[in-house]
Amino acid sequence: DAKTTQPPSMDCAEGRAANLPCNHSTISGNEYVYWYRQIHSQGPQYIIHGLKNNETNEMASLIITEDRKSSTLILPHATLRDTAVYYCIVRVAGTGGFKTIFGAGTRLFVKA
Amino acid sequence: DARVTQTPRDKVTEMGQEVTMRCQPILGHNTVFWYRQTMMQGLELLAYFRNRAPLDDSGMPKDRFSAEMPDATLATLKIQPSEPRDSAVYFCASGTGIGETQYFGPGTRLLVL
Repeated sequence: DAKTTQPPSMDCAEGRAANLPCNHSTISGNEYVYWYRQIHSQGPQYIIHGLKNNETNEMASLIITEDRKSSTLILPHATLRDTAVYYCIVRVAGTGGFKTIFGAGTRLFVKA
Repeated sequence: DARVTQTPRDKVTEMGQEVTMRCQPILGHNTVFWYRQTMMQGLELLAYFRNRAPLDDSGMPKDRFSAEMPDATLATLKIQPSEPRDSAVYFCASGTGIGETQYFGPGTRLLVL
């Protein structure tokens, strides 16, 4: 069972910032939050991850609330090629240790 | 540009036939994951390995599915016998640890008639 909650879909105008929220209220203190995206039928692609502090890389920024119960992925200048399903993931305990469970994600539509 | 490779990219087979899917993880990665994706179920984790040893295959139907890593450069997922409900895209991913970033392959699209 996914431990994250995301809106099923969002729209964003091309060139504007896309802010994708994620709730992970049961996250443990040492658990990272990971974001991936899946464009059409391709394999999921890693975007960014974080623990407590906000993170930024060439693809996106990740804002994690102080209580760590939620986070927001920010695509600063969305393009049509950013249309994809975005997954927010935290680890869950499995028989072999921790494992990652993908939920339904947020389908982001970037419109011209 | 290191990438995970998967073969075949597409497979059409008849019910009852054996299907073998192969994955070559990124060199140096010691963790390999197998996922299945369908419209109804989304991305499901089937199994994962670390240092070639299976750690968790609880997501995999045991009666017909098997996953192995004959060596560090090859992971296989077999279905025998295949059934129409196995039709899906199967993704392999590799990484440097269970909780680390996963790098996905392009997937094998399987259609069982």
